[in-house]
Amino acid sequence: EAQVTQNPRYLITVTGKKLTVTCSQNMNHEYMSWYRQDPGLGLRQIYYSMNVEVTDKGDVPEGYKVSRKEKRNFPLILESPSPNQTSLYFCASSLTPSRQENGYTFGSGTRLTVV
Amino acid sequence: KQEVTQIPAALSVPEGENLVLNCSFTDSAIYNLQWFRQDPGKGLTSLLLIQSSQREQTSGRLNASLDKSSGRSTLYIAASQPGDSATYLCAVNLANDMRFGAGTRLTVKP
Repeated sequence: EAQVTQNPRYLITVTGKKLTVTCSQNMNHEYMSWYRQDPGLGLRQIYYSMNVEVTDKGDVPEGYKVSRKEKRNFPLILESPSPNQTSLYFCASSLTPSRQENGYTFGSGTRLTVV
Repeated sequence: KQEVTQIPAALSVPEGENLVLNCSFTDSAIYNLQWFRQDPGKGLTSLLLIQSSQREQTSGRLNASLDKSSGRSTLYIAASQPGDSATYLCAVNLANDMRFGAGTRLTVKP
């Protein structure tokens, strides 16, 4: 089944403890990105990657890191999590988003709570 | 900067009604537009994708239209059911980003 898989689904952690949220897609998509969703603020892009070894900042990149060493994986790294990073996170992918027939596919989300 | 607006923010209807959700965007330079459904605390399920060169798409009881020149899209839901209760999000594809509206929270009462 074609899908975007995020892990874990739920995570509670403490301030300052490094964590990684994994994202993997099995559709050979070139493009991948991370979003966070917060009440009243909607979905905002954190980072995106147009292809392997190519990453760029979105609207809210502060406090996050990403890497794209291989096409299928795009992990999101929080080096020193803070409570304001408590949110619902989504990973997305697209074959070639600059073609009008290609949409985005989203993962099921990761609910992160930082205490 | 692309802004996406959805009206209404919330809608409550009795079962069986036909309804229309509205989405507007400020910049017509989009590749496509997607409508998503989101249940509380859950992921985003793609309902329909309308390519920038298309005017409408249909899937079952759902029909979405796109008027790119005026920056508008509508999602029409026929014969609504309680199972349609969810938040509906529209999003425009800018290639390196997808811009979302704030959503319309739909409640269909039995």
